[in-house]
Amino acid sequence: DGGITQSPKYLFRKEGQNVTLSCEQNLNHDAMYWYRQDPGQGLRLIYYSQIVNDFQKGDIAEGYSVSREKKESFPLTVTSAQKNPTAFYLCASSTRRANNEKLFFGSGTQLSVL
Amino acid sequence: AQSVAQPEDQVNVAEGNPLTVKCTYSVSGNPYLFWYVQYPNRGLQFLLKYITGDNLVKGSYGFEAEFNKSQTSFHLKKPSALVSDSALYFCAVRANTGGFKTIFGAGTRLFVKA
Repeated sequence: DGGITQSPKYLFRKEGQNVTLSCEQNLNHDAMYWYRQDPGQGLRLIYYSQIVNDFQKGDIAEGYSVSREKKESFPLTVTSAQKNPTAFYLCASSTRRANNEKLFFGSGTQLSVL
Repeated sequence: AQSVAQPEDQVNVAEGNPLTVKCTYSVSGNPYLFWYVQYPNRGLQFLLKYITGDNLVKGSYGFEAEFNKSQTSFHLKKPSALVSDSALYFCAVRANTGGFKTIFGAGTRLFVKA
């Protein structure tokens, strides 16, 4: 079945540690996105990529980094510079044919600070 | 700048009654509008979208949404609510002027009581 796989489901970060969240899709989508979800704040865009080897900052990119070396993969690193990383992180993808296309979402990763 | 407002944090409705979840938006140019639903600890699932044409859009699970350009609204509706409709609902917007950035509202939690 085609879809988006996020791992791990739960992740714990220690002070000063960088952690990486995995996102893999087999939908052959060009565009991929990372969102952060906090209670009562909806989804906020961290980074997005429309094509391999290219990505752009979203609204809250500080303290995060990404790479897009393969079409299928868009990992997100939460660095020690992100002082409030506890949140639910969602990866999404879409076709690049037109910007009226819907987003497909993974099941999310809950990141907590120890 | 694009923005989406969902004025109600929570909507309560009895099973069998009609439901409405409100959404207003602000975007330059013509909007592409979406509704997504999120069940606990899961990613978002697409419900429906408005691109152009009829102002009443039909989507999954019996949901529909009415686009009103003069009021810049895109309210989600269902004629008869089910207990299983209880979830978190997000309205989202993209501008048709280019780019692939989707802006989400803060979400509305729907409770359907048996």
